[in-house]
Amino acid sequence: DAGVTQSPTHLIKTRGQQVTLRCSPKSGHDTVSWYQQALGQGPQFIFQYYEEEERQRGNFPDRFSGHQFPNYSSELNVNALLLGDSALYLCASSLPDRGETQYFGPGTRLLVL
Amino acid sequence: RKEVEQDPGPFNVPEGATVAFNCTYSNSASQSFFWYRQDCRKEPKLLMSVYSSGNEDGRFTAQLNRASQYISLLIRDSKLSDSATYLCVVNTVSYSSASKIIFGSGTRLSIRP
Repeated sequence: DAGVTQSPTHLIKTRGQQVTLRCSPKSGHDTVSWYQQALGQGPQFIFQYYEEEERQRGNFPDRFSGHQFPNYSSELNVNALLLGDSALYLCASSLPDRGETQYFGPGTRLLVL
Repeated sequence: RKEVEQDPGPFNVPEGATVAFNCTYSNSASQSFFWYRQDCRKEPKLLMSVYSSGNEDGRFTAQLNRASQYISLLIRDSKLSDSATYLCVVNTVSYSSASKIIFGSGTRLSIRP
């Protein structure tokens, strides 16, 4: 039973560029949440997708957008990258009726230069 | 005031000691509570849920005090392998059934031989 997978594992971009991160949820899970974790901080909720729609959103600008596909996998897109976007981006999947129990992927480390 | 607050530590205790962490939350409508563990450069992993009646899992005991809006984690007979960052998580489900999941910044624990 595969857990949550994310790609790529590491990424280096420059300011102003755009990035797409990918996530495949744990088998049987259809809800995907994305988090940003800066060094020394807890994960900050970006948004949650369920049934291919954004169901909940945290305090992140519109530069952060996402998508969920029919197979429940998800993408996180960040436009016009800023230095402050450098962080670990975590994807978590869950079941719809137990949405609060999150299973995390290993994350994508993004460095913006 | 942060929605979820934790003492960042670090807590540096000898092996075999008992250590306790507290976490306070601001939203009285919050419904579910969790402790996650995060090892260095790894993803968070669910340690245990926290119930109003208190719950125990081996050396770990979690308690919830709704009146005072705090949760606690007690680790008895600490092991070297308990060294990690412990994240407090609070979930509030909205009218649309979407979860608002807030992580604390984490408490660092270091167990010394």
